[in-house]
Amino acid sequence: QKEVEQDPGPLSVPEGAIVSLNCTYSNSAFQYFMWYRQYSRKGPELLMYTYSSGNKEDGRFTAQVDKSSKYISLFIRDSQPSDSATYLCAMSEGATDSWGKLQFGAGTQVVVTP
Amino acid sequence: NAGVTQTPKFRVLKTGQSMTLLCAQDMNHEYMYWYRQDPGMGLRLIHYSVGEGTTAKGEVPDGYNVSRLKKQNFLLGLESAAPSQTSVYFCASSVTAHQETQYFGPGTRLLVL
Repeated sequence: QKEVEQDPGPLSVPEGAIVSLNCTYSNSAFQYFMWYRQYSRKGPELLMYTYSSGNKEDGRFTAQVDKSSKYISLFIRDSQPSDSATYLCAMSEGATDSWGKLQFGAGTQVVVTP
Repeated sequence: NAGVTQTPKFRVLKTGQSMTLLCAQDMNHEYMYWYRQDPGMGLRLIHYSVGEGTTAKGEVPDGYNVSRLKKQNFLLGLESAAPSQTSVYFCASSVTAHQETQYFGPGTRLLVL
């Protein structure tokens, strides 16, 4: 069983809709949670970063972490065709002996249609 | 400021051949990483480096070697390529050990026949 599970999609939504993405994980030691966006044939780029539980908002993007349920979410409001990409969740324990070891989900492909 | 660059962009190898992937960063970052990305598997860490002259194993290091002779460069070597190493390889770098600051390169697509 993978430590981080993410539905691969594709998730197709009309322009202007809310995109809802999520990941579940099994390692209760994870403390740092990230969302990356990856366009086709490009490298991932960091979108959101959250430490521990709670919500974080940045423009049209909202990240939520529920450590009790081992569940994280990313919401994209007023979605645009330019949001069409694969979204990867990533997380880590943040401990000294595991600082370089991000665990990634497999990614969810999102398609926003005009 | 080019960020993180990778060469080559694409390569085809025959089983048993060797090659080196080059990663370069111009951000003066201490930490550098090599990942592979496979369908349905997500990104997996191969090796990483905490500074010039130092390297360490990640999650899937077998079949790969790395070197960090210069701070700005991180090389990934395949001594004897196998079809299982067909993948997209990404290099990343970060200022600190905090993972949220990793910056990724554009990737190298490798096909091993």
